[in-house]
Amino acid sequence: DTAVSQTPKYLVTQMGNDKSIKCEQNLGHDTMYWYKQDSKKFLKIMFSYNNKELIINETVPNRFSPKSPDKAHLNLHINSLELGDSAVYFCASSLTSYNEQFFGPGTRLTVL
Amino acid sequence: GQNIDQPTEMTATEGAIVQINCTYQTSGFNGLFWYQQHAGEAPTFLSYNVLDGLEEKGRFSSFLSRSKGYSYLLLKELQMKDSASYLCAAPHTGGFKTIFGAGTRLFVKA
Repeated sequence: DTAVSQTPKYLVTQMGNDKSIKCEQNLGHDTMYWYKQDSKKFLKIMFSYNNKELIINETVPNRFSPKSPDKAHLNLHINSLELGDSAVYFCASSLTSYNEQFFGPGTRLTVL
Repeated sequence: GQNIDQPTEMTATEGAIVQINCTYQTSGFNGLFWYQQHAGEAPTFLSYNVLDGLEEKGRFSSFLSRSKGYSYLLLKELQMKDSASYLCAAPHTGGFKTIFGAGTRLFVKA
């Protein structure tokens, strides 16, 4: 049973397109996150949600819009993709914000 | 501000012991995490320290000194599969914002 799953695993698209990444966790966790890991391997928080509510928006451009239809799902929609958006995007969840995080397998986004 | 520093790379020999250091500055301490990340994979949790001292978990141990803003991860009896990046991470803002270090790439050689 996969704890945190993301789809798709790979995404290759043209500049200017709009794309979505889906994330689901079956751990019953309250808190979910989106991270961006760039080519230098820096893992940077983008958004944090708790029980479907947005808690942290870490100065991410508003082209990125997260949506949490329920506490088991946190999707990420990206409008007008730019070259600099190319990275690996990880979804994660934790029981509460003070517990260890469980990461999804990542989505490697390449913008051409 | 929040800042985490750890060495970029380390090399060690199979069977040896290696210590990966991490220094941190955060506003409001909420503990210190260590994660392991193999190339092309997701980070996985290794350890968590909130009190000073050593936490031992099999071949891996983690140490924390809150007064010095310092932690280390100790890996014993190194195996080739321990070749990975090791990320030091400090949560703040009620734990909702975790700052990760850039990671230490560990190469284990035969």
